[in-house]
Amino acid sequence: KAGVTQTPRYLIKTRGQQVTLSCSPISGHRSVSWYQQTPGQGLQFLFEYFSETQRNKGNFPGRFSGRQFSNSRSEMNVSTLELGDSALYLCASSPDGGSQETQYFGPGTRLLVL
Amino acid sequence: DQQVKQNSPSLSVQEGRISILNCDYTNSMFDYFLWYKKYPAEGPTFLISISSIKDKNEDGRFTVFLNKSAKHLSLHIVPSQPGDSAVYFCAASDGNAGNMLTFGGGTRLMVKP
Repeated sequence: KAGVTQTPRYLIKTRGQQVTLSCSPISGHRSVSWYQQTPGQGLQFLFEYFSETQRNKGNFPGRFSGRQFSNSRSEMNVSTLELGDSALYLCASSPDGGSQETQYFGPGTRLLVL
Repeated sequence: DQQVKQNSPSLSVQEGRISILNCDYTNSMFDYFLWYKKYPAEGPTFLISISSIKDKNEDGRFTVFLNKSAKHLSLHIVPSQPGDSAVYFCAASDGNAGNMLTFGGGTRLMVKP
């Protein structure tokens, strides 16, 4: 079974631009979560999507948004990029998003904002 | 407010010996705990998990222990191998918050040949 895939793997943007990241979950998984990893803040939860609906949201500004499609693929968008948005963005999938399900992570998208 | 803490940023162990990685949490609503291994610029790889109804779970060289009264869990790796060198994260989920994971800050494990 193929794992979680994320595209692109690397991205360079400038301040004020917007960016869209894509995540394809493991086949059959319906829950997709997004996390941000930075050296200062560690791994932080952004949001979770299940059946095309956002179920949980972390403590991030409204510039961070996402969506999920009917095939469970998910996209994350960051508008008006700031230098501090430079990070590794990780996507994780699980079968149904239950509280005791293991989440499996993709390789991440490394975003650099100049 | 860090709800999950890994107080040791790094740990160095000799090959063949035991590695013990520790994690403390403050939220008593956490009911599921996981350990992930991570290499730079890669996503975390799931290692082992434990439900709050258990106090031990074993999978090959990896064993996780949970002490709910102390709000403490630990990952034991026996025997340690050089390929185990990586950053290890513990994570926890609260049944009332879906499957949102709260991560510790990570511990860098170095296994010396």
